[in-house]
Amino acid sequence: GQQLNQSPQSMFIQEGEDVSMNCTSSSIFNTWLWYKQDPGEGPVLLIALYKAGELTSNGRLTAQFGITRKDSFLNISASIPSDVGIYFCAGHQGGSEKLVFGKGTKLTVNP
Amino acid sequence: SAVISQKPSRDICQRGTSLTIQCQVDSQVTMMFWYRQQPGQSLTLIATANQGSEATYESGFVIDKFPISRPNLTFSTLTVSNMSPEDSSIYLCSALPGSYNEQFFGPGTRLTVL
Repeated sequence: GQQLNQSPQSMFIQEGEDVSMNCTSSSIFNTWLWYKQDPGEGPVLLIALYKAGELTSNGRLTAQFGITRKDSFLNISASIPSDVGIYFCAGHQGGSEKLVFGKGTKLTVNP
Repeated sequence: SAVISQKPSRDICQRGTSLTIQCQVDSQVTMMFWYRQQPGQSLTLIATANQGSEATYESGFVIDKFPISRPNLTFSTLTVSNMSPEDSSIYLCSALPGSYNEQFFGPGTRLTVL
């Protein structure tokens, strides 16, 4: 089935640094979603994007829906220790309500 | 949004037995889904739980192994049948409350099969 290519696979950064991760696809997506998953928890929705070119912020997080509709990125500014976790991109294609997930980016923040 | 709870949160089961996982949403939702997440991996969709009809299974998942019920718009169950150690995983329920394609997830059920 359709896969999303998410990169990087993992990141090790210092507290206060900015972070960027992205997802790409060979197919067009109609919706892009970014989730964060803490250990032992379910994914939590961070940002949802619905239109090509859309740029949306949620606190220190900013995400964009790529103009080609085949990619999206998530930026985290001024990282803090509680940003640690696994970030997943996900998207919808066509008229399907089924989500396709990326493989995740594991973020480690050193205080 | 939707607040989703799952029971049990974790279980350790013997090979050959079955476990039923419950998923409760705090409001009526249009669609509910079940996912599996193996350790260190991404989420894999098992099936869409359809209210009042049989679930729609993804390739590689069958009803005999993962029977699903959805008796109403707020509740669903997933049964993992005749378990083997390969079924050890986190099982996640999710819900789509409305028309914005924003899926919300439960906390997951961590299953270990011995």
